[in-house]
Amino acid sequence: GQQVMQIPQYQHVQEGEDFTTYCNSSTTLSNIQWYKQRPGGHPVFLIQLVKSGEVKKQKRLTFQFGEAKKNSSLHITATQTTDVGTYFCAGDFGNEKLTFGTGTRLTIIP
Amino acid sequence: KAGVTQTPRYLIKTRGQQVTLSCSPISGHRSVSWYQQTPGQGLQFLFEYFSETQRNKGNFPGRFSGRQFSNSRSEMNVSTLELGDSALYLCASSRETGAGSGANVLTFGAGSRLTVL
Repeated sequence: GQQVMQIPQYQHVQEGEDFTTYCNSSTTLSNIQWYKQRPGGHPVFLIQLVKSGEVKKQKRLTFQFGEAKKNSSLHITATQTTDVGTYFCAGDFGNEKLTFGTGTRLTIIP
Repeated sequence: KAGVTQTPRYLIKTRGQQVTLSCSPISGHRSVSWYQQTPGQGLQFLFEYFSETQRNKGNFPGRFSGRQFSNSRSEMNVSTLELGDSALYLCASSRETGAGSGANVLTFGAGSRLTVL
């Protein structure tokens, strides 16, 4: 079936350190989206990547879409306590249904 | 504009009962999707409705059903509740389906937290 694998499942970092989460699909994606869910909250859309090799930045967050459109990453530079939460990628295989990765839970050690 | 509204926010049921959850999408959004979220399983897709028609369905038993009304509001029903159905049920709406156009970006509601005793 169409699955999106996401690693790591958990990540604990010292405040100020960098953080990266990765998503991988066995088949080509039409596009990929990223969402953030704060503790006790609901997923909130961050960004969508559509083009092969696309790189987008939002302040300290950098999103990449692989050349083959099978993988993606989210990198946070110099983490802050406000970055705490679970980050999900969601792949669109072109079948009008998003498939979510299992998420990476980020905790920050002050 | 108002966000996605889900009711009720919290509910407690006992095994064997049934439950109906409601979702009002963002005005103008035609697609409504439902997800089950549990600590161990992440976000599991239940089904998606567009223009009152179920377009996609996840791998859940027939006890899970849903529908969409002409005003795009949606309901999901779970019958014969089991302990394992305890979860956060999230509804999400999008403008319309269509890969690559941004139209399928999801806006989630706050969820309905169901506890089955």
